[in-house]
Amino acid sequence: DGGITQSPKYLFRKEGQNVTLSCEQNLNHDAMYWYRQDPGQGLRLIYYSQIVNDFQKGDIAEGYSVSREKKESFPLTVTSAQKNPTAFYLCASSPIQGDPEAFFGQGTRLTVV
Amino acid sequence: GQSLEQPSEVTAVEGAIVQINCTYQTSGFYGLSWYQQHDGGAPTFLSYNGLDGLEETGRFSSFLSRSDSYGYLLLQELQMKDSASYFCAVRGDGQNFVFGPGTRLSVLP
Repeated sequence: DGGITQSPKYLFRKEGQNVTLSCEQNLNHDAMYWYRQDPGQGLRLIYYSQIVNDFQKGDIAEGYSVSREKKESFPLTVTSAQKNPTAFYLCASSPIQGDPEAFFGQGTRLTVV
Repeated sequence: GQSLEQPSEVTAVEGAIVQINCTYQTSGFYGLSWYQQHDGGAPTFLSYNGLDGLEETGRFSSFLSRSDSYGYLLLQELQMKDSASYFCAVRGDGQNFVFGPGTRLSVLP
């Protein structure tokens, strides 16, 4: 089955530690995205990638980093510079950049203690 | 920049019809999408409007009026499983869709 896989589903980290969230897709999509969702709120774009070896900052990129070395993979690192990292993180992909239909993974809930 | 407004909560009973509105302010306009998200789950795509008018997909329909910067999602024959959050997302001159704050729909028996 084609889809997007995020792992782990739940992640706990101590304050000050970097943590990497995994996102893999087998839909052969060029574009991939990372969103942050806080309780009762909408999705805010962190980073996006139009194609392999290219990525751009979204609206709230500070304290985050990404890489896109393979078409299938778009990992997100939450660094210690992110002031409030506890949130629900969603990865998505679409055939091309700006496609009206995006496909989402099941999300990773990160809790920093 | 872009801004979107949706009602925060809507409540309806099983079998009823409910309308969830979305108003937006953007520089340019390239389309409006709707997504459903159950608690703790992944958003799933429901519908897209690129031009004015109504798009129908089963029990769900979506409407767009570009002159009014307004759209809505219409859910008919409501079922308990429709209890979820619904997000509109708009693409303006930027390369990506921007999501609204979401509307939490509660369907009562």
